[in-house]
Amino acid sequence: DGGITQSPKYLFRKEGQNVTLSCEQNLNHDAMYWYRQDPGQGLRLIYYSQIVNDFQKGDIAEGYSVSREKKESFPLTVTSAQKNPTAFYLCASRKGHLTSNYGYTFGSGTRLTVV
Amino acid sequence: GQQVMQIPQYQHVQEGEDFTTYCNSSTTLSNIQWYKQRPGGHPVFLIQLVKSGEVKKQKRLTFQFGEAKKNSSLHITATQTTDVGTYFCAVDSGSARQLTFGSGTQLTVLP
Repeated sequence: DGGITQSPKYLFRKEGQNVTLSCEQNLNHDAMYWYRQDPGQGLRLIYYSQIVNDFQKGDIAEGYSVSREKKESFPLTVTSAQKNPTAFYLCASRKGHLTSNYGYTFGSGTRLTVV
Repeated sequence: GQQVMQIPQYQHVQEGEDFTTYCNSSTTLSNIQWYKQRPGGHPVFLIQLVKSGEVKKQKRLTFQFGEAKKNSSLHITATQTTDVGTYFCAVDSGSARQLTFGSGTQLTVLP
């Protein structure tokens, strides 16, 4: 079955460390997204990519970096510059780009905790 | 980009009661999507509304898009414990490149 796989499910990071969250999809979707969700809050956009080798900053990109070298993969790196990284990170994809005719498919998320 | 306000933030209902959540925008929307996130889970796409005044039903869920395309609602008839979760609306950014999500309505159903 097609879907989005995020790993790991839980991640613990020491202060000052960079960590990378994996997101892989086999839906053949063009667009991919990273959102951050804090407890009891909505989803805030970190980065998005409409096509391979291209990505744009979202509303809260500071302290994060991404790459899109393959259509299937959109890893997110949480750098030491992100002052409050503890959150639930959700990766999503959508069929097509530059179109809003489709819903997002979300991965099951990664819970990142700074220790 | 587009902004959307969602109310209420929380709603507690007895099982069997109805529930409604609303999303409002100050600008005309091209479309609106609705998602459900179960506790501890990830958002799941429910539906998209595109046309002015559109009404769509999924079993006990009724989705409406306002005539002016500035507001939308999700109504659940006779809630069940399986309806527990947070319901989000989401709107196109304007460039069709990404969605902006409402703050969500967290529904608790008391047995």
